[in-house]
Amino acid sequence: DAKTTQPTSMDCAEGRAANLPCNHSTISGNEYVYWYRQIHSQGPQYIIHGLKNNETNEMASLIITEDRKSSTLILPHATLRDTAVYYCIVRAAGGTSYGKLTFGQGTILTVHP
Amino acid sequence: KAGVTQTPRYLIKTRGQQVTLSCSPISGHRSVSWYQQTPGQGLQFLFEYFSETQRNKGNFPGRFSGRQFSNSRSEMNVSTLELGDSALYLCASSWGPGGEQFFGPGTRLTVL
Repeated sequence: DAKTTQPTSMDCAEGRAANLPCNHSTISGNEYVYWYRQIHSQGPQYIIHGLKNNETNEMASLIITEDRKSSTLILPHATLRDTAVYYCIVRAAGGTSYGKLTFGQGTILTVHP
Repeated sequence: KAGVTQTPRYLIKTRGQQVTLSCSPISGHRSVSWYQQTPGQGLQFLFEYFSETQRNKGNFPGRFSGRQFSNSRSEMNVSTLELGDSALYLCASSWGPGGEQFFGPGTRLTVL
């Protein structure tokens, strides 16, 4: 699976948009970009995933650049409960690694009042 | 729909003992994966089961094993426990190997 690079930490004011970047310059054509988050001592929570088109759901939006080498997770109106570690994961769409998630160190997002 | 459940939630063992952790997936999900989380190594993939067959295995010693039953429930076993096995063990289920994985709350194992 391709490696990802994320900033170690980010801050955001409550009510503002949180934009979390991820670099995945070695991503291959059949690999998806997944985002999970983990609130302290809980299991990771699935947020969103995409292949090449931008995606939006009730939690967030995912913007993937045209060359697919980077992406941005957007939390449109961050709340204190969004404080968590956010993981960007590149995941194979087939093959022996199909079911496996490879977590990096993630970005610690702190939302301030 | 009930989420992924893991039992027990907390466990204390001593070195040399063995432990069995249990995971019940979301109803209808047939794939179960296990992960270990430690402060030093982060979240690491242990293994994945689908239809009672191990599809994938991470880079862990043979002391770590698992299995999946016909009802998709899964267990993982760690034999001859070491201090370094102290970790949060997370189970995730999905409809199949390619589906979004939904995680349980984890089992916090402490080895003394």
